[in-house]
Amino acid sequence: AQSVTQLDSHVSVSEGTPVLLRCNYSSSYSPSLFWYVQHPNKGLQLLLKYTSAATLVKGINGFEAEFKKSETSFHLTKPSAHMSDAAEYFCVVSETGGFKTIFGAGTRLFVKA
Amino acid sequence: EADIYQTPRYLVIGTGKKITLECSQTMGHDKMYWYQQDPGMELHLIHYSYGVNSTEKGDLSSESTVSRIRTEHFPLTLESARPSHTSQYLCASSEIRNTEAFFGQGTRLTVV
Repeated sequence: AQSVTQLDSHVSVSEGTPVLLRCNYSSSYSPSLFWYVQHPNKGLQLLLKYTSAATLVKGINGFEAEFKKSETSFHLTKPSAHMSDAAEYFCVVSETGGFKTIFGAGTRLFVKA
Repeated sequence: EADIYQTPRYLVIGTGKKITLECSQTMGHDKMYWYQQDPGMELHLIHYSYGVNSTEKGDLSSESTVSRIRTEHFPLTLESARPSHTSQYLCASSEIRNTEAFFGQGTRLTVV
């Protein structure tokens, strides 16, 4: 069985400070892991993905995530937040090569000036 | 830029009306999905398709129906809309090997 837990429903940071959005997962299979971002009134956009290659994954807009199998985590980070990063972020786990895709509940990121 | 389109973007409709939400993709993807998302909540899969003439129900029970007559088109229909159907509906597609999904911009439906 697969599941994904985003540990924070809301995260608030000041502009220029680091961002950490936490995600834990469980999977019976070798998972593919993704982070998506959703800005208000927009569809989801893929930030980055892990598919069993390098454990440190770099995505768009300066975001990156590290796959830690021992901790079953896939936390999203960014060294310096920008106002335009304010959005909802979804952690997603998929069965590699299969169909099942599970979305986390989302973490809303607020960025203060 | 992902080539998946949803129409309409916004729809306000009266109770009891029949509506169809359109979703089209030009990437030749075999898999297509419909998700329902209430404000501030997670996405729930309501329908998916492996390809032409394939439709399956997702994790969340829904009174909507879907069809997949053409690879690029995956419309969702509500025969009789109710206020409880008010939500955002997101369409997505992916290659058959379950690489990342590409999402449309969503249809925000309000039933009054």
